[in-house]
Amino acid sequence: DQQVKQNSPSLSVQEGRISILNCDYTNSMFDYFLWYKKYPAEGPTFLISISSIKDKNEDGRFTVFLNKSAKHLSLHIVPSQPGDSAVYFCAASERGNKLVFGAGTILRVKS
Amino acid sequence: DAGVTQSPTHLIKTRGQQVTLRCSPKSGHDTVSWYQQALGQGPQFIFQYYEEEERQRGNFPDRFSGHQFPNYSSELNVNALLLGDSALYLCASSLWTGYKNIQYFGAGTRLSVL
Repeated sequence: DQQVKQNSPSLSVQEGRISILNCDYTNSMFDYFLWYKKYPAEGPTFLISISSIKDKNEDGRFTVFLNKSAKHLSLHIVPSQPGDSAVYFCAASERGNKLVFGAGTILRVKS
Repeated sequence: DAGVTQSPTHLIKTRGQQVTLRCSPKSGHDTVSWYQQALGQGPQFIFQYYEEEERQRGNFPDRFSGHQFPNYSSELNVNALLLGDSALYLCASSLWTGYKNIQYFGAGTRLSVL
């Protein structure tokens, strides 16, 4: 039962352009959503989050959008930089409980 | 300010053995969660500890057990190791709020079961 899905295993983007990573969920009780970035041999690093009462949250080059009716969220990175190349995980939680993760999307930013 | 630290970094065990992994949370955090990450997958929740008690548990067998100490550090124990237990084990800490659940992860322990 995969409650959080990232349907794109990988994404390749040119430096300076926008990267859009997508995530779908099935559990309507999720009330908090997060994006993590992971480099090889490191643990996931928290990037940005959004609560279910909002539809957008920005932090510098990173913006997360939430569409509750579609049970869909996305992460926009503008402009993309080579250092952004990593695996990106979408995660969700309900009432502060466990994080449920997607399988991840590998982002490659080409210079 | 030290982040989440895990030890050891790597571990090699044989089937049937037992293993203990350790985690020190980020300063100021009171909640520790453990996750298993298999190759090519996202982290899977094992269990969470708060106030030295197991608050929530994922779909893992009883061979997986844990403990939280008064200083909030935590251990993950796995008994009767199987080949399928080979994975990256991640510890995450957070400050319990009952809602906003930003967890900060350590670098993980890579367990190989031969």
